[in-house]
Amino acid sequence: EVQLVESGGGLVQPGRSLRLSCTASGFTFGDYPMTWVRQAPGKGLEWVSSIGSKSYAGTTEYAASVKGRFSMSRDEFKSATFLQMNGLKTEDTAVYFCARGGSNSSLRGWGQGTLVTVSS
Amino acid sequence: DIVMTQSPDSLAVSLGERATINCKSSQSVLYKSNNKNLLAWYQQKPGQPPKLLIYWASIRESGVPDRFSGSGSGTDFTLTISSLQAEDVAVYYCQQYYSLPTFGQGTKVEIK
Repeated sequence: EVQLVESGGGLVQPGRSLRLSCTASGFTFGDYPMTWVRQAPGKGLEWVSSIGSKSYAGTTEYAASVKGRFSMSRDEFKSATFLQMNGLKTEDTAVYFCARGGSNSSLRGWGQGTLVTVSS
Repeated sequence: DIVMTQSPDSLAVSLGERATINCKSSQSVLYKSNNKNLLAWYQQKPGQPPKLLIYWASIRESGVPDRFSGSGSGTDFTLTISSLQAEDVAVYYCQQYYSLPTFGQGTKVEIK
């Protein structure tokens, strides 16, 4: 069974940084691309970033709203993916979900999400 | 970006009745090299993450009840719940993965 557990969320001031983690189990992590999707309070889903599988780990893509501020990476030994978020803005406030799948596939398997609140 | 527009924003259906949700993309999501529509449907219940229901526009994910079905091609797609059950109360999203992913705004399904 696919299991994804996000961590690292919290309250942070505008302009500061935060690093989210997503630890995977129940599947061969290296074989799959991974994605972050966020959901602002009471709003819909917004794709944030995707990273290729182990073979394509250098391949990352970002939504225009976060490009240049967020950076996605993965660690095959830890079976984890990370989202480094710099220069946070109030509009980045959301629950951040990680999901198995890439930017060119459906997302099969989601974590429970971690809440990021950007506020002074 | 491909814009995904769902209709209606919400609907109330009696138990056992049919629920139909529409999704329109601003450009075709039909991938001609394999003739597949790169469109998925997700269900999100309150306080839970989304759950994949349908991929390639019409293929039901393993374990999803057969009362859920997807149809359409090109730019116009439909998710149908043939006989609404109480546990189907949720928000439903379409998503295209033809280019950088985008989601529809969501359709809230309630019991009438």
